[in-house]
Amino acid sequence: ETGVTQSPTHLIKTRGQQVTLRCSSQSGHNTVSWYQQALGQGPQFIFQYYREEENGRGNFPPRFSGLQFPNYSSELNVNALELDDSALYLCASSPTTGNPTDTQYFGPGTRLTVL
Amino acid sequence: QKEVEQDPGPLSVPEGAIVSLNCTYSNSAFQYFMWYRQYSRKGPELLMYTYSSGNKEDGRFTAQVDKSSKYISLFIRDSQPSDSATYLCAMSAGAQKLVFGQGTRLTINP
Repeated sequence: ETGVTQSPTHLIKTRGQQVTLRCSSQSGHNTVSWYQQALGQGPQFIFQYYREEENGRGNFPPRFSGLQFPNYSSELNVNALELDDSALYLCASSPTTGNPTDTQYFGPGTRLTVL
Repeated sequence: QKEVEQDPGPLSVPEGAIVSLNCTYSNSAFQYFMWYRQYSRKGPELLMYTYSSGNKEDGRFTAQVDKSSKYISLFIRDSQPSDSATYLCAMSAGAQKLVFGQGTRLTINP
């Protein structure tokens, strides 16, 4: 049991809408990373948050944004949804940042479908 | 060209067989190499972690890294039906930004 939870499990939106996905980190973890996993592909790094600040970003446009709260829970916001945004969105928490040996624990993901 | 290449399979083998999964990569800055297992409708879970070149064994699983060839492998001995899943290789140059392969879908037939 990793302890990372995500909500909702599934979500259907239409093109142009905005969506907010939520993640609750494992207890004691202050770093959260978000990944996008398209069907049949490996996860792609979106960004990482450490102590409420963005700490690295992948090759995703600014309409992908995030927040981390004092309790280390996190949100991923996507504006102006496009069909290609349909994917499984994974969040992963770890005890620290900058230490690549720290295991990242993944949540079960939110399946987003954009119609 | 992708930074990490992984044959998506699918790969189907009989129970008890030795399974070999592989990834190649192009970024020589990668120092940390991981294998994740992902069951259907679940998030990835870490199986093996290796720093730099060398071998690492954990039970039925062995991870190998050859940095000179930019090639990593995962071997599963005495494969079980419960090993059926998608296996993802992942790499990092540091700071926990993971770069994943496409994943190989593996089925172990009883």
